Amino acid sequence: QSALTQPRSVSGSPGQSVTISCAGTTSDVGGYNYVSWYQQHPGQAPKVMIYDVTKRPSGVPDRFSGSKSGKTASLTISGLQADDEADYYCCSYVGGYSFVFGGGTKLTVL
Amino acid sequence: QVQLVESGGGVVQPGTSLRLSCAASGFTFSDYPMHWVRQAPGKGLECVAIISRDANYIYYADSVKGRFTISRDNSKNTVYLQMHSLRVEDAAVYFCAWGSQYYFESWGQGTLLTVSS
Repeated sequence: QSALTQPRSVSGSPGQSVTISCAGTTSDVGGYNYVSWYQQHPGQAPKVMIYDVTKRPSGVPDRFSGSKSGKTASLTISGLQADDEADYYCCSYVGGYSFVFGGGTKLTVL
Repeated sequence: QVQLVESGGGVVQPGTSLRLSCAASGFTFSDYPMHWVRQAPGKGLECVAIISRDANYIYYADSVKGRFTISRDNSKNTVYLQMHSLRVEDAAVYFCAWGSQYYFESWGQGTLLTVSS
């Protein structure tokens, strides 16, 4: 199973919005509505920010939103804050308890 | 509250073996599959191994197939990753991860494996 394709980096100024894309295939992103997004700060474990394409776990600000069109999922972060600076990973269920991750995107808040 | 605590990492030489453990609490362990996910230094996340709740379904990434064995002890709420013939490229932080649905709700803090001669 090949990794999902994410941009290596994105950036934005405080208060702006950024969108991170996650491109897959019909065997992963395009085949299931089970895309999740994880935020990882240096030295920490990943934290789920979005699941089932668009759902936010309790405690995640509504500045974080997810969407999907065909074989590409997206994470949008609005009202950028300094603490949003982190690595972000998309992940798709691919059947049989298995998952595939994207390569990760480094978000820089300018 | 779900808690996952990994242990067993360390510094080993290529070709040797090591066993990682992940002790789980805060949910009914025997009802769910468990995952090992690793992250090499400066790299992304990779699903290494998965075990179903009754151990009847097991999956390995191609990169570790034939060398790693995942197992679980539902009486101890613990999942294991036995690693043999370790390679330099196996060096990573190994995370234990759990989810009740189709995503990873909780992660351990990770345990670091260094493979060096």
